[in-house]
Amino acid sequence: NAGVTQTPKFQVLKTGQSMTLQCAQDMNHEYMSWYRQDPGMGLRLIHYSVGAGITDQGEVPNGYNVSRSTTEDFPLRLLSAAPSQTSVYFCASSYHRDRGNEKLFFGSGTQLSVL
Amino acid sequence: KNEVEQSPQNLTAQEGEFITINCSYSVGISALHWLQQHPGGGIVSLFMLSSGKKKHGRLIATINIQEKHSSLHITASHPRDSAVYICAVRPGGTSYGKLTFGQGTILTVHP
Repeated sequence: NAGVTQTPKFQVLKTGQSMTLQCAQDMNHEYMSWYRQDPGMGLRLIHYSVGAGITDQGEVPNGYNVSRSTTEDFPLRLLSAAPSQTSVYFCASSYHRDRGNEKLFFGSGTQLSVL
Repeated sequence: KNEVEQSPQNLTAQEGEFITINCSYSVGISALHWLQQHPGGGIVSLFMLSSGKKKHGRLIATINIQEKHSSLHITASHPRDSAVYICAVRPGGTSYGKLTFGQGTILTVHP
């Protein structure tokens, strides 16, 4: 298994440009999430999905769109990039087998700079 | 006030020392996760707790649901343990994958 594959690793955008961060997992996990990590603030949830076709907003959803057409893929779209979206982005997936058994898997992260 | 507070924010230790990192949270939870973020940025899951205690190698994690507090202990610390340790909670009644994170504890272990 490749685990959670996140691309690209680095990206520089100009203000106003759009782009898509890709996230794929090959573990058949139902749950997938996108987080951003900013200095001094910890990880914050952007959007999450509980299965194909079902997504919901997290703590900081503005300026981002997601879709989940398949179990494997959960892309994050920046509609019109702003300097405030400069951050490190992580995709994660998780499974739960039974009560009290839950594990997280993270992608390697995308360092995004918006100029 | 953040829902999840970690202490200390920074921790420096000598190799071999016993280390404790604390996590306090303000809401009822269904699960608490301890994560490790390596200097290169990758994040690895260490433990998931809903009650009691778990042990893996030199790492021990405990949780007290009534006191809304969890601790991560590292016995016989080693320089390779140097990393950021992150506590994350899944509030009660929320979906899997919907987590709230602490700010992390930066651990440096000197040889």
